[in-house]
Amino acid sequence: EAGVTQSPTHLIKTRGQQATLRCSPISGHTSVYWYQQALGLGLQFLLWYDEGEERNRGNFPPRFSGRQFPNYSSELNVNALELEDSALYLCASSLGWGGYTFGSGTRLTVV
Amino acid sequence: AQRVTQPEKLLSVFKGAPVELKCNYSYSGSPELFWYVQYSRQRLQLLLRHISRESIKGFTADLNKGETSFHLKKPFAQEEDSAMYYCALSSRSGGGADGLTFGKGTHLIIQP
Repeated sequence: EAGVTQSPTHLIKTRGQQATLRCSPISGHTSVYWYQQALGLGLQFLLWYDEGEERNRGNFPPRFSGRQFPNYSSELNVNALELEDSALYLCASSLGWGGYTFGSGTRLTVV
Repeated sequence: AQRVTQPEKLLSVFKGAPVELKCNYSYSGSPELFWYVQYSRQRLQLLLRHISRESIKGFTADLNKGETSFHLKKPFAQEEDSAMYYCALSSRSGGGADGLTFGKGTHLIIQP
């Protein structure tokens, strides 16, 4: 069984640009969660998608957004990139009971 | 608001010694508690959850609601246990709406 896959592995963007990160959940999982792991801040909850809808978001500004497609894959968009957005972005999928399966992450570097 | 505290950033013990990684939480409702582990160059993975009350790789964790703790224990540490360990909480009543709240993690180093 394929795990959670994320692309790209690494992404380098200039301040002010937009970044798009992608995630494919485990087959059968309808929930996708996005987390930001910034240096010194630990894992911070970003967004939760389930059945194509945004169900909840963490304490992040609106320039962090995304969507979930009919096949349950998901996209995270970060607009107007700031240097502080540099982090590892992790995607996880779940059947809903909290036992998340994580992807390897996308390392976003904003220069 | 829910919060998870792991007081030790780094814990170093010798092989064969007992290990205890501390986790305290703050949550007014009925939580689900988890331990996740990240070995070097590997992805974050679920180690165990309190509801299943199982032992994984020799590790156990008991939820103590009185002390709001969920410490991870292993009687005899092995070198392959060296990793980053994260305690996490899910608000069960929220059905996962808040995602998982993670502690900052404890880096466990097992010395030979």
